[in-house]
Order: sequence, then structure tokens, then C-alpha cells
Amino acid sequence: QQQVKQSPQSLIVQKGGISIINCAYENTAFDYFPWYQQFPGKGPALLIAIRPDVSEKKEGRFTISFNKSAKQFSLHIMDSQPGDSATYFCAASIEGGATNKLIFGTGTLLAVQP
Amino acid sequence: GAGVSQSPRYKVAKRGQDVALRCDPISGHVSLFWYQQALGQGPEFLTYFQNEAQLDKSGLPSDRFFAERPEGSVSTLKIQRTQQEDSAVYLCASSLQDPNYGYTFGSGTRLTVV
Repeated sequence: QQQVKQSPQSLIVQKGGISIINCAYENTAFDYFPWYQQFPGKGPALLIAIRPDVSEKKEGRFTISFNKSAKQFSLHIMDSQPGDSATYFCAASIEGGATNKLIFGTGTLLAVQP
Repeated sequence: GAGVSQSPRYKVAKRGQDVALRCDPISGHVSLFWYQQALGQGPEFLTYFQNEAQLDKSGLPSDRFFAERPEGSVSTLKIQRTQQEDSAVYLCASSLQDPNYGYTFGSGTRLTVV
């Protein structure tokens, strides 16, 4: 049962453009929504995270937008650079839960063309 | 070390062989997680330790999978009688007791069962 749906599967953006990746979740108990970046041969690395008490969080060129009523959240990468080319995963967890295990989306392969 | 260390990086096993994958978490990290990442997919939760206690093993796909963390630091994931469907990257992650700061993942062990 896939609890976090991610789209698109792949994305090509020109250098300097905006990359947008979307995720939707089903479990309303989720209260922590991180985004991870993964380069080939490496483990995922935490990029930015949001909790449902805010609708937007910005860190540098990366912004998360969160819509609690729609159960959707998205990652925006402004001024995309070739070094941003990687696979991006959204995830969700229940912070007060027993394990804080993350439920990941299926990933978006981003290619930023120079 | 500064990061989560996993060994071996690559493992080729003949179907039916037993394998053992090692994870050395960041010093002082109480929580340790194992995830399985199939090709082109997001990581999927396997099991969770808090110190030496295995608090959640709900993600282990069968009784052929076994994990331990006897002294609350290094962890081993063991797969008995490997099958082709076990081929994946096995990721270990650790975090402080409060995972609000996010997990730190290792680079994983790529297991190929032939």
C-alpha cells in the first residue's frame, strides 16, 4: 500500500529554471514531511523538512509548500543548477509514533541541463 | 567516523547463500534504521533499533531476514537463503534520539543475488 505518491517520475529543467516536484499522502496522522536528495551510489541526504503547522518553508533555493487540507506538499528548486541533478524523494512520518519510520515516495529523477 | 559506514559496499551472493551486512552508525546516535531500496524505487523501512532494543521489525519481508544490534552501536542485517527478489540496496541510517534533525544515511550495500 503506497501511502505517499510522488510525481513526476522524471523531470528535465534548464539551468536557472524552477524545478517542481509534488507529493500526496493518505495518512492524516503524518506530521513530519522531509525531502531527501540522493546522488548515484550514495544514500539519501536530508534536504529540507516541514511540519503541518506551517504552509511554507524556505531554505536557500529550496522551498516546501504544504497544503494540509489537500494532503499535498511540494518541493520547489529555484534557479536550478546542473549540480542539483539527482533523485529526490519526499517522505512522511509520525513524529510521535513508536519508531519515526519514514514512508518514502517513489522518487523523481531531476536532470538540469546547462 | 563522521558518517554512517556500511560494509561491504557490494555483495554478490548465489541463491541460497546467507549474507551479513554491517552498519556502523554515527557515534552517539541512539536510533538505527535499516531500509531496502529496490532499483528505481524509494527506500522501504525494514527495522528500527533504539540502542540495543529492536522496537519495530514490521518491515522485514520474511523470517529469512534478521537484524541485531547487541551492544547498541554496530548493527548487522542477516539474510538467510537469499533469493533473487532480495537483490536491492540495503541502507542503514542513524539519528539522535530526537530524529527531528533527520536521519543520516550510509551509502548502502548493493546486494545482487544470482
